[in-house]
Amino acid sequence: AQSVTQLDSQVPVFEEAPVELRCNYSSSVSVYLFWYVQYPNQGLQLLLKYLSGSTLVKGINGFEAEFNKSQTSFHLRKPSVHISDTAEYFCAVRFAGTGGFKTIFGAGTRLFVKA
Amino acid sequence: DGGITQSPKYLFRKEGQNVTLSCEQNLNHDAMYWYRQDPGQGLRLIYYSQIVNDFQKGDIAEGYSVSREKKESFPLTVTSAQKNPTAFYLCASSTGTTTNTGELFFGEGSRLTVL
Repeated sequence: AQSVTQLDSQVPVFEEAPVELRCNYSSSVSVYLFWYVQYPNQGLQLLLKYLSGSTLVKGINGFEAEFNKSQTSFHLRKPSVHISDTAEYFCAVRFAGTGGFKTIFGAGTRLFVKA
Repeated sequence: DGGITQSPKYLFRKEGQNVTLSCEQNLNHDAMYWYRQDPGQGLRLIYYSQIVNDFQKGDIAEGYSVSREKKESFPLTVTSAQKNPTAFYLCASSTGTTTNTGELFFGEGSRLTVL
């Protein structure tokens, strides 16, 4: 079975400080890895994805993530956060299930950027 | 503009009533999904559909039903059998094929409250 664990439910950080949001996954099949962001009362939008190739992937808004196969991790980082980065962040894995591809999500990490 | 439209945005229901949430997309995507979001639990998959007239149960399908009569539409009915229906419901789509590696595109969500 596949699962996604986000290790921190909330991460408070000061503006312009670096941040890392941690994600570990477990899977018996090949997966594709994603990070999504959700602003209050909205749907999710894609930040970045890892499909293959370079293990360091860059996304929108200055975010990047590194895929580590041996540690089954896909941590999200940003070197300097802004107030506008305050949101909930979801790590997700996509894999082939019965009847087609499925995406499952972690429980989310709420990033709170303080002035 | 292309996108996913969910309606209604807010819905109140009395216990024992069925309610149907609408999801329409004009992205020409094959695959559509319904997720339920509860605080601290991330997104959980209810149903998904790769093609018209076919759909699969997700992880929490009990008390829900769907139909996929048109490519553009994937309505979700929350039945009276769903024991705890108060939640935020998100519809998504993707270019689902057997070789798909695509991201999910989300609607703005529907917040259902049972009184």
